[in-house]
Amino acid sequence: QVQLVQSGAEAKKPGAAVRVSCKASGYTFTRYFIHWVRQAPGHGLEWMGKVNPSSGSTSYAQKFQGRVNLTRDASTSTLYMDLTSLTFEDTAVYFCARFGGLAAVIPFEYWGQGTLVTVSS
Amino acid sequence: EIVLTQSPGTLSFSPGERATLSCRASQRVSSNYLAWYQQRPGQAPRLLIYGASTRATGVPDRFTGSGSGTDFTLSISRLEPEDFAVYYCQQYGNSFIFGGGTKVDIK
Repeated sequence: QVQLVQSGAEAKKPGAAVRVSCKASGYTFTRYFIHWVRQAPGHGLEWMGKVNPSSGSTSYAQKFQGRVNLTRDASTSTLYMDLTSLTFEDTAVYFCARFGGLAAVIPFEYWGQGTLVTVSS
Repeated sequence: EIVLTQSPGTLSFSPGERATLSCRASQRVSSNYLAWYQQRPGQAPRLLIYGASTRATGVPDRFTGSGSGTDFTLSISRLEPEDFAVYYCQQYGNSFIFGGGTKVDIK
């Protein structure tokens, strides 16, 4: 079965960087784009960007350009989200999600469990 | 960039009632690439509807998506206790914007 398993909670100080991982299993890793979405406490869902696990090409929401970097390691079927220059406003749960289907275009059908990143001084 | 507006922010119903949720786009959603998600507290979102009207695998038939162009609706025919949650719409054509969400709570 398809699974996306994310790394554990992180606590960071303002100005620091954070890396969140998302390990994929149960499907062909290179076939489906992985997207990253975050959710601040009590707020809605915010799309951050996407990565093509096959080529490594990326696309980012304008808000995060220059501060987020999405990468992948095909040898371990793991995706990474690096976010730099953290501020208090980056406190959120970060999700990875798989995009795409075989016979149809299916959006985020599978999600990781979420990783809480807390930015505090 | 498309903006998706979900209003009102909260709707209150009794179990067994019918709920109708609205999602309005500031521009036409290409290819009706409009999805609905359900999110319960402490959980990841769950895909309910894609392509404006296709139920995702395992979604009960009390959930129905409809609409096209700029106006979309999610209907829940008879609210079960587990349906009280927050619902988000999303367009996934040329971007992946989410609406602000509608909370369905118990009256």
